[in-house]
Amino acid sequence: DAGVTQSPTHLIKTRGQQVTLRCSPISGHKSVSWYQQVLGQGPQFIFQYYEKEERGRGNFPDRFSARQFPNYSSELNVNALLLGDSALYLCASSSGLNFNEQFFGPGTRLTVL
Amino acid sequence: QQQVKQSPQSLIVQKGGISIINCAYENTAFDYFPWYQQFPGKGPALLIAIRPDVSEKKEGRFTISFNKSAKQFSLHIMDSQPGDSATYFCAATRPGTYKYIFGTGTRLKVLA
Repeated sequence: DAGVTQSPTHLIKTRGQQVTLRCSPISGHKSVSWYQQVLGQGPQFIFQYYEKEERGRGNFPDRFSARQFPNYSSELNVNALLLGDSALYLCASSSGLNFNEQFFGPGTRLTVL
Repeated sequence: QQQVKQSPQSLIVQKGGISIINCAYENTAFDYFPWYQQFPGKGPALLIAIRPDVSEKKEGRFTISFNKSAKQFSLHIMDSQPGDSATYFCAATRPGTYKYIFGTGTRLKVLA
């Protein structure tokens, strides 16, 4: 079975632009979470979606938004990019059942110039 | 109360040695404590996880020790190998949420 997939792998944008990152969870998983990982730090929680509804939001500005589709894939959107948004954006999926196991994708490396 | 403090920041171990990484938390509502391994440019991979109702869990060369009263848990890597060289993160979460609180990471280097 395929694991969590994310696209694109790398992305370079300039300040003020908008970006959309995509995630496909493990087959059968209904929960998707997004994390931001700045170089040298642990991942920071951005959003969690379960059954297409937002179930949690971290301490990020409104420039960050997300949604989950009927097939449980998800998109993370970031508007008005800042230099500080440069990071590895991670998607994690979970079945929504049985403990709290989350499985992470390879991430999308976003560079804002 | 939401923090998870991880130490050491970096660790160098000889091949065959034991690597020990420690984490401490404050929020007693946390009930799930996973450890992740991350290689450069890759996403974190789940290694092993524990719940507070057990004091130790072992999977292969990896062992989690959990001290509920001290609110501390640690990862032990036995017979450390150069292939174990990576960054390790502890994390914690509360019931009914998938919001993980991650530690700051430990960069492990195992010398051949």
